[in-house]
Amino acid sequence: EVQLLESGGGLVQPGGSLRLSCAASGFTFSSYAMSWVRQAPGKGLEWVSTIDGGDATYYADSVKGRFTISRDNSKNTLYLQMNSLRAEDTAIYYCAKDLGRGSGAAFDIWGQGTMVTVSS
Amino acid sequence: DIQMTQSPSSLSASMGDRVTITCRASRGISNYLAWYQQKPGKVPRLLIYAASTLQSGVPSRFSGSGSGTDFTLTISSLQPEDVATYYCQRYNSAPRTFGQGTKVEIK
Repeated sequence: EVQLLESGGGLVQPGGSLRLSCAASGFTFSSYAMSWVRQAPGKGLEWVSTIDGGDATYYADSVKGRFTISRDNSKNTLYLQMNSLRAEDTAIYYCAKDLGRGSGAAFDIWGQGTMVTVSS
Repeated sequence: DIQMTQSPSSLSASMGDRVTITCRASRGISNYLAWYQQKPGKVPRLLIYAASTLQSGVPSRFSGSGSGTDFTLTISSLQPEDVATYYCQRYNSAPRTFGQGTKVEIK
């Protein structure tokens, strides 16, 4: 069964850091682009970042320079390092598998999400 | 950046009704358009990609059409389990923008 399991969320103070992880199983992880999508409480979906099968990375303007996406294909794990966190980063963060290896595909598998709360 | 605008933002329809949701891109995106369903408290689910290709396991009452800037998601006969918020998303290039969502309810 194809599965994504996020971890690493929690409560952090403004200006702080968190690293999210997404453990993948049931598919050839290295063959697919992977992404992070977030959803603030009561709001819509916001694409955050993508790393493709060749390790090229892409970011939303709202997180560029503060967040870093990476992957460890030997561990079938996707990461999101989040620095300089702001209150507006408060959201559920979903890990999502792309349909293809490149960066231009829809998300066919989603994790359950991990909540990040930025507050003092 | 290319903006994605959905309409309406919400709708209420009767069981069995045909429901249509529209998504408009501010510039042409060919057919790089996906539709997702998110039921209350649940994870988003891919319904349609490449504007009109039905994802495996999705009921055939869902269909998508369009190309360029104007796209449509149609539910041919609304069912109680279709109560959800629906999002379009462009994925031709970064940023892979979502529409603001359309909330579908049963009358």
